Amino acid sequence: SYVLTQPPSLSVAPGNTATITCGGTNIGRKSVHWYQQKPGQVPILVVYYDNDRPSGIPERYSGSNSGNTATLTITRTEAGDEAVYYCQVWDSGRAMFGGGTMLTVL
Amino acid sequence: QVQLQQWGAGLLKPSETLSLTCGVSGESLVGYYWSWIRQSPGKGLEWIGEISHTGRANYNPSLQSRVTISLDTTKNQFSLRLTSVTASDTAVYHCARQVGHRDSSGYIKNWGQGALVTVSS
Repeated sequence: SYVLTQPPSLSVAPGNTATITCGGTNIGRKSVHWYQQKPGQVPILVVYYDNDRPSGIPERYSGSNSGNTATLTITRTEAGDEAVYYCQVWDSGRAMFGGGTMLTVL
Repeated sequence: QVQLQQWGAGLLKPSETLSLTCGVSGESLVGYYWSWIRQSPGKGLEWIGEISHTGRANYNPSLQSRVTISLDTTKNQFSLRLTSVTASDTAVYHCARQVGHRDSSGYIKNWGQGALVTVSS
């Protein structure tokens, strides 16, 4: 079955750029959505259809998708960006989520 | 602003049936797909299935034999039923509003706060 691979954790200094990857076979042929989940909260959508941003999400958040890797990029990272980030695609009739990447801003 | 609130039994014994209902406020069921997603430390996020306002349901193939999602448009709510539960079904169950669906690569727009369901003898 299809597998989405995310690094379990990523650390970035405040003000720097965080690049969170989501790997999958030919993921570039799929639409990828990204969610942010902070402790004790439900996930919120931060990027949809590869690189669209919902209203209210800062322009610092962007996405790309090509080949075997989709990427969520957060520029000028802030303490408030600390969260777990999940990618999501559809495969074989079901929505699938990556294992999540814990982003630490320090 | 759409709000989703789920409720149902939180403690089950193995082999029992999980039943949860999600009440939707601030939005009609019409025009969207509605889904159930569960989250557990061991399995992460797992999509259970979706249902349209017309009652068309699609399920995760891994759960299809045990899952039924239904809706009641008069009450603006939809429900999840999962039979023959085991400890591996222990999770926080979220109801959610989708934009799009399986065939359009939809995404989750709104999440309910979640209901913890524990399966234990």
